Amino acid sequence: QKEVEQNSGPLSVPEGAIASLNCTYSDRGSQSFFWYRQYSGKSPELIMSIYSNGDKEDGRFTAQLNKASQYVSLLIRDSQPSDSATYLCAVNWGTGFQKLVFGTGTRLLVSP
Amino acid sequence: GAVVSQHPSWVICKSGTSVKIECRSLDFQATTMFWYRQFPKQSLMLMATSNEGSKATYEQGVEKDKFLINHASLTLSTLTVTSAHPEDSSFYICSARDITSLQPQHFGDGTRLSIL
Repeated sequence: QKEVEQNSGPLSVPEGAIASLNCTYSDRGSQSFFWYRQYSGKSPELIMSIYSNGDKEDGRFTAQLNKASQYVSLLIRDSQPSDSATYLCAVNWGTGFQKLVFGTGTRLLVSP
Repeated sequence: GAVVSQHPSWVICKSGTSVKIECRSLDFQATTMFWYRQFPKQSLMLMATSNEGSKATYEQGVEKDKFLINHASLTLSTLTVTSAHPEDSSFYICSARDITSLQPQHFGDGTRLSIL
């Protein structure tokens, strides 16, 4: 069974701090990893994608991937109250690795 | 960026009614579309994968006769919830992907379905 594990939170950080979100996955064959942000009542929005080991930076966001440890993380620098949302980790799987399996999400709360 | 339009965004109907949800890719050809369901405080669960011009592939536990999926063109897929009941009330979200590119899935805005 394909599994993606996340701490449900909430993770509370003050405005301006670094928020660190973590995710582990079970399928060693997975090749693509994604972080989505979901506001309450809305559909997920792609934040970052990462395909190779190491770090990938995009603005205030940095994704980190360690395939040996089956671990992917998302760092949000200079957190803002508008970053408060649920962050979903998603990993590809299935024939052709087209499908995505999602973690349950980590709720992030950024206080002013 | 890629845009996926989903319609309607919200529907309330009586038990026993069939409801159709449309998912359109507006600026790319969606060779593959996915349908998800999300219950409150839970994550997205994949229901089925549809490829243009072929039958949808349903995930284990999803009733194909209840959730009818049609992917007749490269820009449109529909999900019909047949004879809906209160337990079918959920947030249904489609996503689309151009398999010929490296782009990940892009999600529609979702449809909140409430069955009375």
